[in-house]
Amino acid sequence: DVKVTQSSRYLVKRTGEKVFLECVQDMDHENMFWYRQDPGLGLRLIYFSYDVKMKEKGDIPEGYSVSREKKERFSLILESASTNQTSMYLCASSKGSGGVYEQFFGPGTRLTVL
Amino acid sequence: AQSVTQPDIHITVSEGASLELRCNYSYGATPYLFWYVQSPGQGLQLLLKYFSGDTLVQGIKGFEAEFKRSQSSFNLRKPSVHWSDAAEYFCAVVGYSGGGADGLTFGKGTHLIIQP
Repeated sequence: DVKVTQSSRYLVKRTGEKVFLECVQDMDHENMFWYRQDPGLGLRLIYFSYDVKMKEKGDIPEGYSVSREKKERFSLILESASTNQTSMYLCASSKGSGGVYEQFFGPGTRLTVL
Repeated sequence: AQSVTQPDIHITVSEGASLELRCNYSYGATPYLFWYVQSPGQGLQLLLKYFSGDTLVQGIKGFEAEFKRSQSSFNLRKPSVHWSDAAEYFCAVVGYSGGGADGLTFGKGTHLIIQP
């Protein structure tokens, strides 16, 4: 079975801190994604990557950056955390180009910015 | 741009009763459609997907969904719900541009409550 793991289930940070959220998948998937989930808004795509060192902006990239140095790892970076970034963050991965494939999700990281 | 509408924020169903969750999408070409379920404190699990072919698709846990192009709908159904079906349900669409990955566009979710 595909396994997507996220480094923390819960995280509390202060305004202005630099925050790293880590995601690792073990199925050699080419594509990886970061979403944020807020009540009443569903999931919204922040960034995605279809290859090592490649990244694409999603629907709400402002205030975030990403890094993909290895195929299995995709990091979401909050350069200077703000209270409006308090949210649940979900990572996903899928197989690569040539078609549309199911995305497999991690358990999520609930981030609180004080 | 694609979009997904789930008209019902909350739905309450008695255990053993049938269920239908509504989903309408907007996309210019042939859509790729998904239903995911999220139990409390859990990540998302895929229930079923529609890519092409038979418009009635079967999924896990006894769920099925029907793709109706004329109505731009992809409604989720289950003939008899169980208390363990209480969860948040998300409909999602992705367009395929022929290149690399495309992220999913999700609806805002429907919260399913099961009454004993």
